Amino acid sequence: DTEVTQTPKHLVMGMTNKKSLKCEQHMGHRAMYWYKQKAKKPPELMFVYSYEKLSINESVPSRFSPECPNSSLLNLHLHALQPEDSALYLCASRTSGSRVTEQYFGPGTRLTVT
Amino acid sequence: SQQGEEDPQALSIQEGENATMNCSYKTSINNLQWYRQNSGRGLVHLILIRSNEREKHSGRLRVTLDTSKKSSSLLITASRAADTASYFCATERSNAGNNRKLIWGLGTSLAVNP
Repeated sequence: DTEVTQTPKHLVMGMTNKKSLKCEQHMGHRAMYWYKQKAKKPPELMFVYSYEKLSINESVPSRFSPECPNSSLLNLHLHALQPEDSALYLCASRTSGSRVTEQYFGPGTRLTVT
Repeated sequence: SQQGEEDPQALSIQEGENATMNCSYKTSINNLQWYRQNSGRGLVHLILIRSNEREKHSGRLRVTLDTSKKSSSLLITASRAADTASYFCATERSNAGNNRKLIWGLGTSLAVNP
């Protein structure tokens, strides 16, 4: 299984809502990533988890809260978002260690904040 | 943060023609990767070239890397309509804690007309 899955595919939420995005992989990858991507722009790294521990937080506002409950799952909890947070949210994973490898991406969650 | 720039930003060619995209970066790298993204979907890894390599091939793809000029090019030969997508280069860097992240270029939008 070389797939990263993300749910939901689309999400519309109000600024007072709380929602969560979910990402799952069963490739045994121990590094997992959250990216935010605006239209016609490259992905922007938000968080990196390595062996279920948060290793990089790219100064992301606290209204985004990541969680890695186990080695296969990555969640992104959303609360009190702003309309400018509307974007495609991508999850990715890769093997950890010194070997050079690529990242595997999920299809993304298209988030609209109203 | 972005350190890469790609040119051209947009490229439109006829099916069967070759497409060349360039990528420049600013700092030393471990490796450089190219990814493809179909409209509004996740990214797919195409090819990775290490900093000690100069050229690499994969099917219809040819990647070159010139570390003295801090630049790379991606050539797609005999293009097909299915190659229509955005193409991003990404360089891998490690921080002080040996956590790796990709620094993305701005992307080239390729349209292959049938």
